[in-house]
Amino acid sequence: GIQVEQSPPDLILQEGANSTLRCNFSDSVNNLQWFHQNPWGQLINLFYIPSGTKQNGRLSATTVATERYSLLYISSSQTTDSGVYFCAVELASGAGSYQLTFGKGTKLSVIP
Amino acid sequence: ETGVTQTPRHLVMGMTNKKSLKCEQHLGHNAMYWYKQSAKKPLELMFVYSLEERVENNSVPSRFSPECPNSSHLFLHLHTLQPEDSALYLCASSQAPIAGGLGANVLTFGAGSRLTVL
Repeated sequence: GIQVEQSPPDLILQEGANSTLRCNFSDSVNNLQWFHQNPWGQLINLFYIPSGTKQNGRLSATTVATERYSLLYISSSQTTDSGVYFCAVELASGAGSYQLTFGKGTKLSVIP
Repeated sequence: ETGVTQTPRHLVMGMTNKKSLKCEQHLGHNAMYWYKQSAKKPLELMFVYSLEERVENNSVPSRFSPECPNSSHLFLHLHTLQPEDSALYLCASSQAPIAGGLGANVLTFGAGSRLTVL
């Protein structure tokens, strides 16, 4: 199956700092999503971004499908950004399979 | 509030108990999912229902039994569980493209049900 690798596994930031999270995947995908899981377990969909660039406030994401990676940028980090960020992908050849494969996540801690 | 509601939020059960997890979505989506999240492991897809028909069953033990009575409700019936089944169980929904149609599965998750099996 497809491999999804996220880096770094853990990240500690001072409030106000910027960061970049990376997601590498091993095969062509037609679906890529970024999620944030807060400390209480709630997963929130941040971006649906199989290719290109999107921005939403302090967050932005870029996927370079031909090179099989995606980046999530967090600017001016706040303590509420703490949690785990997951990348999830669906194989292009598996369209309609409902099989989203998740990475292991990047655990972000933003300290005041 | 994401539009996907899970109950109960916390559940403690013995290995001989029978319990159920409930999920309800208010988004008008046509697909619903159960995921399992264990410590130190990626999210694992357990079951998928599309238009109330089960379309995926990822080699899940029979002690987990899903039920989808309509497109808004999904249950996970639990019986004779093992301590290693303790985990966060997440429900999600999406407006999945019907065969040949456009669109993509963009998931909306509930807050999860944290299960502890003693």
